[in-house]
This record gives sequence, structure tokens and C-alpha cells, in this order.
Amino acid sequence: AQSVSQHNHHVILSEAASLELGCNYSYGGTVNLFWYVQYPGQHLQLLLKYFSGDPLVKGIKGFEAEFIKSKFSFNLRKPSVQWSDTAEYFCAVNAGGGATNKLIFGTGTLLAVQP
Amino acid sequence: GAGVSQTPSNKVTEKGKYVELRCDPISGHTALYWYRQSLGQGPEFLIYFQGTGAADDSGLPNDRFFAVRPEGSVSTLKIQRTERGDSAVYLCASSLMEADTQYFGPGTRLTVL
Repeated sequence: AQSVSQHNHHVILSEAASLELGCNYSYGGTVNLFWYVQYPGQHLQLLLKYFSGDPLVKGIKGFEAEFIKSKFSFNLRKPSVQWSDTAEYFCAVNAGGGATNKLIFGTGTLLAVQP
Repeated sequence: GAGVSQTPSNKVTEKGKYVELRCDPISGHTALYWYRQSLGQGPEFLIYFQGTGAADDSGLPNDRFFAVRPEGSVSTLKIQRTERGDSAVYLCASSLMEADTQYFGPGTRLTVL
């Protein structure tokens, strides 16, 4: 069965610090990978996605993620966080190639950015 | 344009009662998904529809849970004989086609007393 692990449950950073959130998945086949973000009081929004091609994916608001197939990882990065990045971040995977469209989510990482 | 909408936003019910949760997908989206999110967890897949038919219902926890999408647009998630453990936020998402980006609604917070 597919699973997604997010090892950082709660991260606290100061503004301008660099961010890296870990995401590892278990699935041997082709995968589609996603990062979703949930700002306080808002619904889940797509931050970025990887389906194929360049493993370095750039998303909205200066976020990027790198797919490393050999490590089954899709870590999220941002060089300099802002207070407005305070939110919960979810990594998700689904099996590519049309095997299934259901998303498997990690447990989420709560990021608090202090001004 | 309008996003995915879900009603009600909050539902409080008593143990043993029946509830219905509604989802209006983005217009033109053929695929519709239901997830459940418990406190401190990520969303957990329940069921998804392609058109009117349930393409994958492997996430429904038991036969008390049922969902329909009779005209290929609006969907209703139905929970019979609710239990306290059913308390969670129920999320709906839609995508233009299968294997496409899923767009989430605001969720329905269900509380079973």
C-alpha cells in the first residue's frame, strides 16, 4: 500500500530563514507528487505538483520541490520564508499511469513563521 | 470562477442519527472526490466519481457510508447511524479530468455527540 511520511510535524522559523520540509513516499511505480498548503481559516490549495519531466518543480509564492526518485523523496523548499507562509503543509502522492486517482496524504507539517 | 462548495459548513448531530453532506464541484469538472480529515491527520481518501459512477470506493470505512452523484455534478455523502468516531472534517475535491489536479472545497465539519 502507498504511504507518505512527513517527518517534521511542527516547524518554527524566523522570517528570512530558509525552509525545507521533508516528504518520503512508498510506492514502487510511477507517481504524481503534490504539495498542498492550508492557510489559517482557509481550504487546501495546491502549492506545486510533479507529474513528469524536470524533477525540480517551481510553485507559487517562491516555493519549489525536488523529486529524487532514488530516495523516494519530494522535499519542499523556500529560500526565505515570510510571516504569511505560516500554514499547514501537506505532501500527497497518487499512482501515475491512471492506476488510481486517489491522493494519499502525509500527516502534515505545521509551519509557524515568527516576525 | 466559483470553486468547490460544500454544505453545510458545520453539522452537529447525535449518535445514531443519519446525515447528508453535499458537494458542488467546479463547473465542468468530471471527477469528484471525498476525503475525511481527522484532527492532526492528513486527508484520508473515501471515494471518487468519474461522471455518475463510483470509480473507486475503497476508502469507505464501512457500509454506513454511501455516496451518490446521480447527474454527474453535485454529490451527496450519506452516513447512517453516526458514531462519535465519525467526527471529522469531510472534504470534497474536483478535477477537470481523471489524473488531473484536485481542487478542494472548504469542508464540512461533522461533530457527532
